[in-house]
Amino acid sequence: SQKIEQNSEALNIQEGKTATLTCNYTNYSPAYLQWYRQDPGRGPVFLLLIRENEKEKRKERLKVTFDTTLKQSLFHITASQPADSATYLCALVMGTGGFKTIFGAGTRLFVKA
Amino acid sequence: NAGVMQNPRHLVRRRGQEARLRCSPMKGHSHVYWYRQLPEEGLKFMVYLQKENIIDESGMPKERFSAEFPKEGPSILRIQQVVRGDSAAYFCASSPGTVQETQYFGPGTRLLVL
Repeated sequence: SQKIEQNSEALNIQEGKTATLTCNYTNYSPAYLQWYRQDPGRGPVFLLLIRENEKEKRKERLKVTFDTTLKQSLFHITASQPADSATYLCALVMGTGGFKTIFGAGTRLFVKA
Repeated sequence: NAGVMQNPRHLVRRRGQEARLRCSPMKGHSHVYWYRQLPEEGLKFMVYLQKENIIDESGMPKERFSAEFPKEGPSILRIQQVVRGDSAAYFCASSPGTVQETQYFGPGTRLLVL
């Protein structure tokens, strides 16, 4: 069956450390993968996109890797800050018929000062 | 440039009533997507529309749910004869006409069915 999985347990880290969040999927062949941030009571906000032929993408303190062999993406926040505390969603965008985006359930990140 | 607008932000309905959720995409965006989110669950795709056309409704329940995106005006997600299980947050997203790599989400409508 098709699945997209993110760490269901919350991730607690100390300010200044690097947060690493994982997204694994099975039986999907996405054209690209996206990461979103969602704060309580708000809609998701797009952060980064990485294509199937890209290994790594960076944006300021954010880094995403994409391994299509392992069917895994890692999302890193370096020098984390309390303001980074939120739920982070992984999303697969299908290439064929290309309209459906499949979201993971998200991982909650808490950054302690 | 205003973002994606959704209204109402909160909607309370009794079982059997109708719920109408509205979404105005970002200016210049002609693609609209609707998602449902239950507590502690991910966003579930419902439907993808372009102006006056439903492109993909594979995530829509077969009964009671319908969506439209008319030539003029907002996109509407309509739920007839609501049941308690319809209680959820409903999010709308929009993207530009030819590039749908990034979806811009609205703040959501929280529907509570009593």
